[in-house]
Amino acid sequence: EVQLVESGGGLIQPGGSLRLSCAASGFTVSSNYMSWVRQAPGKGLEWVSLIYSSGNTYYADSVKGQFTISRDNSKNTVYLQMNSLRAEDTAVYYCARVIRQNFDYWGQGVLVTVSP
Amino acid sequence: EIVLTQSPGTLSLSPGERATLSCRASQSVTSGYLAWYQQKPGQAPRLLIYGASSRATGVPDRFSGSGSGTDFTLTITRLEPEDFAVYYCQQYGGSPPGYTFGRGTKLEIK
Repeated sequence: EVQLVESGGGLIQPGGSLRLSCAASGFTVSSNYMSWVRQAPGKGLEWVSLIYSSGNTYYADSVKGQFTISRDNSKNTVYLQMNSLRAEDTAVYYCARVIRQNFDYWGQGVLVTVSP
Repeated sequence: EIVLTQSPGTLSLSPGERATLSCRASQSVTSGYLAWYQQKPGQAPRLLIYGASSRATGVPDRFSGSGSGTDFTLTITRLEPEDFAVYYCQQYGGSPPGYTFGRGTKLEIK
């Protein structure tokens, strides 16, 4: 059974850093494309970042240079390193597997709140 | 960047009725890369339709997708109580790779 479990969220002050983790089971992250999608409170979905099976990475313009996606194949886990956090980064962050350029499995989401 | 416009913003219908949700793109979308998701409060989105018209695993056949180019439609025949939720369309653009979502249509019980 495919499962994605995010962790690492919480309350962080503006300018701070946070690393989110997404532990996968039921499939191998290194053989798949993986992505992060976020949703601000009461708002819609926003794609954040993508990592190919090749290791190539891509980012939304809104987070380019600020966030870094990576993975640890030995732990079957994907990460999102978030630096210089701002209030507008407050959101639920979802990890998702990408198949045929669609998000077919999602984690339960982790809340990141950026506030003094 | 392709912008996806969903309409209506809110749709009020009764169980048993038919729902028609629209997703219009600012530029032509490769049909293979247009998807629909359902999201219920407090839950992660769920993939319903991919490739504009293919149902994801386990999705009931009352859900169907259609369209091409810039106009896409999600149709739900015979609404069930569990179908009332927010629906998002999503497209993939390849150069550079990226994804965009529509703002969503809230399907509420009338």
